Amino acid sequence: AQKITQTQPGMFVQEKEAVTLDCTYDTSDQSYGLFWYKQPSSGEMIFLIYQGSYDEQNATEGRYSLNFQKARKSANLVISASQLGDSAMYFCAMRGRGQLTFGSGTQLTVLP
Amino acid sequence: DTGVSQNPRHKITKRGQNVTFRCDPISEHNRLYWYRQTLGQGPEFLTYFQNEAQLEKSRLLSDRFSAERPKGSFSTLEIQRTEQGDSAMYLCASSPSRDKEYFGPGTRLTVT
Repeated sequence: AQKITQTQPGMFVQEKEAVTLDCTYDTSDQSYGLFWYKQPSSGEMIFLIYQGSYDEQNATEGRYSLNFQKARKSANLVISASQLGDSAMYFCAMRGRGQLTFGSGTQLTVLP
Repeated sequence: DTGVSQNPRHKITKRGQNVTFRCDPISEHNRLYWYRQTLGQGPEFLTYFQNEAQLEKSRLLSDRFSAERPKGSFSTLEIQRTEQGDSAMYLCASSPSRDKEYFGPGTRLTVT
C-alpha cells in the first residue's frame, strides 16, 4: 500500500519569497514516481513537476524544484519568488505500479 | 496540443437517476484514469485503462459504477441509481508514460 502525507493544511508566504511545501511518502515499491499538482479555485489539476525514485538529481521546472530525500522518504516542493497567482491548493502524489495516490493537500496563500 | 476534455462540466441530477460522463484524452495517450474528488480532499482513484483494456478498479467503484473505453479513445463513466454520496468532482486524466499525467477540468456532479 502507498501513502502520501502532507502535514501542512495551510501555508502563507509573502510575495517574492520562497516557500517549501512538505510531503512524505510510504511505499514498498523500489521504483516509483513523485508528482506535484496545483489546483486553483477553478478546479483544474495542473501538473507541476515529477521526480523518479532513481533520479539522482532533484527535479526543477522553472520556479518549482523538488527536494527529494529518498532515505527520509520526503519529496518537498520549493516554490521560489512566489507570485500572487501561486495561491492555490497543492497536492503531492505518488505512482508505484499503477495509479496516482494523492495526499490531502496544502492550501497556499501568497500575501501581497 | 489539445488537453484532456470532459463533458459535461456540471451535472445536477435527482437521486435514483443514471448519469454518464465523457472523457476525451490527449490524442495518442494510451493510459486513461478516472478519479473522484470530494471537497477538501485529494483525488481518489476509481479505474484505469490501458488502450481499451480496463486494468484496475478501486474498491470505491461499486457495482453501480461502470466505465468503458471503446477502441481505446474516449471513455465514459456511468453511475446508475445515483445517491447523494456520489456528489463529487469526477476527474479524468490521460498519460503517455509513467512520468506524466494530465488532468481534464472535471465534471462536478450534484445529486439532490
